[in-house]
Amino acid sequence: QVTLRESGPALVKPTQALTLTCTFSGFSLSTSGMCLTWVRQPPGKALEWLALIDWEGDTYYSTSLKTRLTISKDTSKDQVVLTMTNMDPVDTATYFCARIPNVGNYLDYWGQGTLVTVSS
Amino acid sequence: QSVLTQPPSVSAAPGQTVTISCSGRSSNIGNNHVSWYQHLPGTAPTLLIYDNNNRPSGIPDRISGSKSGTSATLAISGLQTGDEADYYCAAWDSSLSGVVFGGGTKLTVL
Repeated sequence: QVTLRESGPALVKPTQALTLTCTFSGFSLSTSGMCLTWVRQPPGKALEWLALIDWEGDTYYSTSLKTRLTISKDTSKDQVVLTMTNMDPVDTATYFCARIPNVGNYLDYWGQGTLVTVSS
Repeated sequence: QSVLTQPPSVSAAPGQTVTISCSGRSSNIGNNHVSWYQHLPGTAPTLLIYDNNNRPSGIPDRISGSKSGTSATLAISGLQTGDEADYYCAAWDSSLSGVVFGGGTKLTVL
C-alpha cells in the first residue's frame, strides 16, 4: 500500500525558509524510473508544480521558483525534503507531495497535503 | 497564468455528459502524455486518467479521456452530484523540463 505524508511547520514568518518533509511507504525511490514531486495550491487558486527528484537523484524545478527551491532525498529513511527560501505571504498554500512512477508521467499517489501560512 | 488552458467552470444536469477541454502546445500535450485529476477541497487530488486515455483501477468507465494534437478532453457521463469537484489536466513539458498543470475547471452538477 502506497502512502505519502507531508510534515513541516504550519506557520512561517516572511523571509524565513520553509522545510517540508515527505515520508512515504509502499515503494522505493531507488526503483528505476521512480520519482517524487511537490505541488502546491494557494487558497482559491490552481495547483502549481514545484519540484521533482528522480531515482538517480536528478532534480527538476519550476522555472519561476528555481532560485528558491531545493529538493533532496534520503532513501534510507524513505523521505524527500523540499526547502523554499525567502518565504512571502503569497507562498501561503497547501503543499502536497506525490509519486510519479516514471519521469514525464502522471502523479498516481498523493499525500493529504499540509497547509503552510506565511505571516508575521 | 497556467501553461495549460482549461475553462474555469462547466455545468450540467445529473445523468448528462460533460466535457472539459485542456489546451497546450507541442512541448507539452503535443509530445507528451496527459493526465487528469479530481480535487475536492481539503483532500488529496485523485488520478482519473493517465497516458491520455487510461483509467487507474477503481475509476469508473463513465470517465474517459482523449487527446488530439495539442489538446485533450476529459468526459464524464452519467453525471452524479458526487462528481462536483475541481478537475485539472497535467502533462510533462519538455521545454520547461517540468510538470505543467491547467488552471482547473470547477464542475457543477445542477
